[in-house]
Amino acid sequence: NAGVTQTPKFRILKIGQSMTLQCAQDMNHNYMYWYRQDPGMGLKLIYYSVGAGITDKGEVPNGYNVSRSTTEDFPLRLELAAPSQTSVYFCASSRGGTGELFFGEGSRLTVL
Amino acid sequence: AQKVTQAQTEISVVEKEDVTLDCVYETRDTTYYLFWYKQPPSGELVFLIRRNSFDEQNEISGRYSWNFQKSTSSFNFTITASQVVDSAVYFCALRLDTGRRALTFGSGTRLQVQP
Repeated sequence: NAGVTQTPKFRILKIGQSMTLQCAQDMNHNYMYWYRQDPGMGLKLIYYSVGAGITDKGEVPNGYNVSRSTTEDFPLRLELAAPSQTSVYFCASSRGGTGELFFGEGSRLTVL
Repeated sequence: AQKVTQAQTEISVVEKEDVTLDCVYETRDTTYYLFWYKQPPSGELVFLIRRNSFDEQNEISGRYSWNFQKSTSSFNFTITASQVVDSAVYFCALRLDTGRRALTFGSGTRLQVQP
């Protein structure tokens, strides 16, 4: 069972570059989330989606964009990367808004 | 706005000791849910427990137990007879029943269990 799959696992970007973090889940969950984890800071919500075609901002959305064209996929786009976006990014999904989140393995992004 | 505080940044114990991880939350809502997640060294977060605001019964699952007290806005997590495999970062989280329905996480407590 794949669960939640994130790619890539590691990436180094130069300031000003753009990239997309991919996230796919095979559990038919309607809720999906993107969090970032900075050292000692816990997880901060970037964007979330309650179903295909519906997305909304979280606590720290600036510098990011998302789309949800299918139930399975929830890509996170970074435009004009900045050093402040150096972090570990986690995608998660849940059935409804139960809060029992299933997480991907994370994507470690470094912006130099 | 809701908030979760885990004041203990890092705890180190010796195997077989009991350890309690503290979690204090803030919300004005009457309906909410509290969670604990474990993040082992591999990095992936794993769900441990969910508790709703109307159920203050303590819960025990093997060596794990949780103490929910609305009077002090706390949801503490105790590991009995700790083992090296319990070494991880543990996060407490809060979800309201309105609005985003997304989790607000505490900053985490790193537990190191020494053999």
